[in-house]
Amino acid sequence: SQQGEEDPQALSIQEGENATMNCSYKTSINNLQWYRQNSGRGLVHLILIRSNEREKHSGRLRVTLDTSKKSSSLLITASRAADTASYFCATDGAAGNKLTFGGGTRVLVKP
Amino acid sequence: GAGVSQSPSNKVTEKGKDVELRCDPISGHTALYWYRQSLGQGLEFLIYFQGNSAPDKSGLPSDRFSAERTGGSVSTLTIQRTQQEDSAVYLCASSLTRGEQFFGPGTRLTVL
Repeated sequence: SQQGEEDPQALSIQEGENATMNCSYKTSINNLQWYRQNSGRGLVHLILIRSNEREKHSGRLRVTLDTSKKSSSLLITASRAADTASYFCATDGAAGNKLTFGGGTRVLVKP
Repeated sequence: GAGVSQSPSNKVTEKGKDVELRCDPISGHTALYWYRQSLGQGLEFLIYFQGNSAPDKSGLPSDRFSAERTGGSVSTLTIQRTQQEDSAVYLCASSLTRGEQFFGPGTRLTVL
């Protein structure tokens, strides 16, 4: 079963706009990761945030983590058409190394 | 270096047949994971290997599913007596330490 939910399920924006998506989870975590998937195939790792971190940046990506609310957000700034993809959050819990994924957010960036 | 590779990229089989899916992890990665992705269930964990042993098999959906890893490298996921509900994309990932997992391109399995 999936650890959490992602919101929204789908997002359509114009190139240059920011895209924000949220992820909620249920159990305690060791870290939370965000992945991107193009065309329903392999996942590409974007960013990892540890449970003792609150915010992390990588290029145009900004991730926040609120462990008290069991939620995370991913912000993509100045979006490009190439950012069109599905984005998944995944948690690595204290129980083991496996990742538990959210349902994903489908992002469409229109040129 | 080379990433995680999986073969075949696509597999079409008839209901009741056995299939084998292969994963070649990144060289030196001790941890290997199998996941599957289907429309109804999203991305689900199947099994985790550390070296050649599988400390977590909790995600295997039935005893028709098995996996092995040899030489701390290549892994094979076997599905016996395939059913239509086994149709999915099977993803393999490897990692060196706990944290970022590197995913292969997946095998799309279609059971007719």
